[in-house]
Amino acid sequence: DGGITQSPKYLFRKEGQNVTLSCEQNLNHDAMYWYRQDPGQGLRLIYYSQIVNDFQKGDIAEGYSVSREKKESFPLTVTSAQKNPTAFYLCASRIPGGGTGELFFGEGSRLTVL
Amino acid sequence: GDSVTQMEGPVTLSEEAFLTINCTYTATGYPSLFWYVQYPGEGLQLLLKATKADDKGSNKGFEATYRKETTSFHLEKGSVQVSDSAVYFCALSGADSWGKLQFGAGTQVVVTP
Repeated sequence: DGGITQSPKYLFRKEGQNVTLSCEQNLNHDAMYWYRQDPGQGLRLIYYSQIVNDFQKGDIAEGYSVSREKKESFPLTVTSAQKNPTAFYLCASRIPGGGTGELFFGEGSRLTVL
Repeated sequence: GDSVTQMEGPVTLSEEAFLTINCTYTATGYPSLFWYVQYPGEGLQLLLKATKADDKGSNKGFEATYRKETTSFHLEKGSVQVSDSAVYFCALSGADSWGKLQFGAGTQVVVTP
């Protein structure tokens, strides 16, 4: 079955450490997105990529980095510069050509900083 | 910029009750509108969508109508079940947004037997 796979589902990190969250899709989608979810705040866009080897900052990119070396993969690195990294992170993708704009989401990764 | 405002939760209902979750938006042009649902510990699933004014999206007994005159996209269900307990997000995709979705804060719905 096609879908978006995020790993790990749960991750614990000590302060000062970088951590990378994986996002893989086999939907043949061009565009991919990373959102952060905090209680009561909805989802906020971190980074997005419309095509391989290209990506743009979203609304809260500070302290995060991404790469898009393959169409299927869009990993997110949470760096030590991110002040409050504890959150639920969601990866999403969109059908080629945009369609009506709907996104398909993975199951999410919950990061906790100890 | 684009924004979405939805009613705060939690909304607590008894099984078979009528559910309404209000959603209003601010956007230039003609955005597409969506309702997503999130069950505990999971990602978001698309519930329904509407892409132009007066369109009605529907799925699993839920409905929402795109009202441009009131910039609203309220979600309704006539008879909720315990399995409808989840967090519901209203979202929009602007015309030039490169597929980025702007989300509301989410509304938690709790349905009791």
